Amino acid sequence: SQTIHQWPATLVQPVGSPLSLECTVEGTSNPNLYWYRQAAGRGLQLLFYSVGIGQISSEVPQNLSASRPQDRQFILSSKKLLLSDSGFYLCAWSGALQNEQFFGPGTRLTVL
Amino acid sequence: GENVEQHPSTLSVQEGDSAVIKCTYSDSASNYFPWYKQELGKRPQLIIDIRSNVGEKKDQRIAVTLNKTAKHFSLHITETQPEDSAVYFCGPNSGYALNFGKGTSLLVTP
Repeated sequence: SQTIHQWPATLVQPVGSPLSLECTVEGTSNPNLYWYRQAAGRGLQLLFYSVGIGQISSEVPQNLSASRPQDRQFILSSKKLLLSDSGFYLCAWSGALQNEQFFGPGTRLTVL
Repeated sequence: GENVEQHPSTLSVQEGDSAVIKCTYSDSASNYFPWYKQELGKRPQLIIDIRSNVGEKKDQRIAVTLNKTAKHFSLHITETQPEDSAVYFCGPNSGYALNFGKGTSLLVTP
């Protein structure tokens, strides 16, 4: 069966520090991968998605970037965090020919 | 891009009553219509979905109805229970992505 992992689970970072969040999927190949951000009490904002290694589509302009160095690995990064980057970051995957998305457990990021 | 709206944003019902949440969308190419449930501090999980060739789908106490002409679909929960309390998101597809609404916070009081 397929599983999706995210780490770390929680993170507290100072403003201006770098960020690296990792997401990996097991039990499937060539998944579509997604990064979402959820601010406190808010909806799910799609940040990036990827349909293959090295292929990244950005949905909103921001100081974040994403990379997909391997088929089942998706990384969210920032060179300098802002206060507004605080939130719950969710990674998700879907089958290449399917729409249903499966979410990871999330990373709760607090920028101070 | 896709414009998705959910109504209401909050909903409070008594245990045993029914709850209905409506989602309207703008992309006429959307052909997949899911509803996700997110409990506090947890990840969203799919509870029911429907494709554009079907008008209604039911799974025990939950159902989804689709009006593709009017571009809206609804989540119906019957015989609500306190454990149904959560935030519910609709997410019609647009290409590879799902465009989620802002969510509906459902509270079921005993």
